[in-house]
Order: sequence, then C-alpha cells, then structure tokens
Amino acid sequence: KAGVTQTPRYLIKTRGQQVTLSCSPISGHRSVSWYQQTPGQGLQFLFEYFSETQRNKGNFPGRFSGRQFSNSRSEMNVSTLELGDSALYLCASSTPGLASYEQFFGPGTRLTVL
Amino acid sequence: AQSVTQPDIHITVSEGASLELRCNYSYGATPYLFWYVQSPGQGLQLLLKYFSGDTLVQGIKGFEAEFKRSQSSFNLRKPSVHWSDAAEYFCAVGAVGNQFYFGTGTSLTVIP
Repeated sequence: KAGVTQTPRYLIKTRGQQVTLSCSPISGHRSVSWYQQTPGQGLQFLFEYFSETQRNKGNFPGRFSGRQFSNSRSEMNVSTLELGDSALYLCASSTPGLASYEQFFGPGTRLTVL
Repeated sequence: AQSVTQPDIHITVSEGASLELRCNYSYGATPYLFWYVQSPGQGLQLLLKYFSGDTLVQGIKGFEAEFKRSQSSFNLRKPSVHWSDAAEYFCAVGAVGNQFYFGTGTSLTVIP
C-alpha cells in the first residue's frame, strides 16, 4: 500500500502570496489531518477533515484553510503569507474507528516564505 | 487542557548504552498515547502506541514504553541504542476528533 504523499515537497514564496499544499492519504483512509511544525513551536494541529467535512480545527488564523475532496485527497491553503508561516507542513491520514487514533504521516512540504 | 511534556530537549548517549526518553501528559480521559520518530527531512514514523490493556507496550526497532497512570507518564525505552536511532522523538496523546497533542520533541544524538 502506498503511503501518504504530499506535494510539492518544497516551496519558496514571498510575503503576501498565497500557497496551496496537497495531500493524498493512504488508500481507504478517510480522515486527513494537517500539522505545522516549526523549531520553536513543535507540531501544532491545524485541522482535520473526514468525509469532506472539517471536524476539528486548531488555533490558527483564518488565513489557514483546507478542504477535502470526495476521494479523500486534501488541500491546505495559506493566504497572505507571513514570514512566520515558514515551516514544515505535515499531513496525516487514518481510518475510521478506534484505529483512527493511529495516524500515518507524509514526508511533509517545506514552505519557505521570503 | 490536554498537553504533552517532554522535559529533555536533547539527549546524548553512547552506542550500546540504554535509553529512556521521558513523556508526561495531561488529559482528562483515558489517554491514547503514541511515540513517533522523525529523521531529518522526513515525516513521522510510529514507534508504538498504547490504547488499553498491558501497560508495557512493545514497538518497532526494539523500543518499548510503559504507561504509568499514577504518574501520567509514558516513557520510551531501549536497552541498547544503535547509531541509526539518532533522530527526533515525539510523544503524543490522541484525543477525540483525531486532534493529536504533541510534545516538543527530544533530539537524540548517538556517540560511536
């Protein structure tokens, strides 16, 4: 079974621009979660989607948004980029039921904002 | 509020020595606990998990962890560290809605 894939792996943007990151979960996984990882803050939960609905959201400004498609693929969008948005963005997928607490992570997208 | 604390930011051990990484959590209900490992430039790989039952859980790569409810701890151990174990280790608690709370991580350096 293929793992979680994220594209692109690396991105360089300038302040004020917007960016879209993509995540393809493991086949059969319907839940997709997004995390921001920075050296100072560690891993912080952004949001989680299940069956195209956002079920939970972390404490991030409205510039951070996401969506999930019917095939469970998910995208994350950050508008009006700030320098502080530079981070590794990780996507994780899981299956329904108790096993949903086990998340499988992708390699991440490294975003650099200049 | 849910939280995870990893008191040790960085640990250095000699190859072949034993290892213990500390993790303390705060969670109102029965916790689902995890340890993940992250190599440079990579995503997170699950080492082991605790849902219920036996409080000593075995994971991959020779790691184990013990859940101690009275101490709100879930420490990770390995009897003999290999140079390839050098990485960042994260403890996490899983909550309803798949919202994971991660510790800030412990960076492990292995000296030959």
